[in-house]
Amino acid sequence: SQTIHQWPATLVQPVGSPLSLECTVEGTSNPNLYWYRQAAGRGLQLLFYSVGIGQISSEVPQNLSASRPQDRQFILSSKKLLLSDSGFYLCAWSGGFSTDTQYFGPGTRLTVL
Amino acid sequence: DQQVKQNSPSLSVQEGRISILNCDYTNSMFDYFLWYKKYPAEGPTFLISISSIKDKNEDGRFTVFLNKSAKHLSLHIVPSQPGDSAVYFCAASYSGAGSYQLTFGKGTKLSVIP
Repeated sequence: SQTIHQWPATLVQPVGSPLSLECTVEGTSNPNLYWYRQAAGRGLQLLFYSVGIGQISSEVPQNLSASRPQDRQFILSSKKLLLSDSGFYLCAWSGGFSTDTQYFGPGTRLTVL
Repeated sequence: DQQVKQNSPSLSVQEGRISILNCDYTNSMFDYFLWYKKYPAEGPTFLISISSIKDKNEDGRFTVFLNKSAKHLSLHIVPSQPGDSAVYFCAASYSGAGSYQLTFGKGTKLSVIP
């Protein structure tokens, strides 16, 4: 069966510091990978998705970037965090079709102070 | 512009009764719809989905109904249990080439009262 891992589970970072969140998937090959953010009182917003190694699509302009160095690894980064980057970050994976169900990881709670 | 709307931020239901969660969408290209359940500080868990070629899909206590003409879908939970208390998100996508985005509603917090 497939599993998806995210770490860290929680993170408190000062404004202006760098960020690196990691997501890995087990039990599947060539998944589509996604980064979402849930800000307080809001729904889930897609930030990035990737259909293959090195292929990243950004959905919204922002202070963040994503990379996919390996087939089942997805990284969310920032060089300098802003207060507005606080939120709950979720990684998800799906099969290769656009209507395949997306399965989410446990999430990372990021607080920028 | 919010393409997927869940107009009820919260809903309280007595244990054993039916819970009905509603979702409206505006984009007529959406042809695949999903419901996710989310507990605090956890990732959403997939519950049930429906394709636009169907108007009903059932899985145990969960049934999703789709009314394409009204651009409306609903999730029925029968009977409701205290463990169903969570935030429920409606999501939609379409099978256009290169389209991978799930568009989510803002969620409805369901409280099932014992």
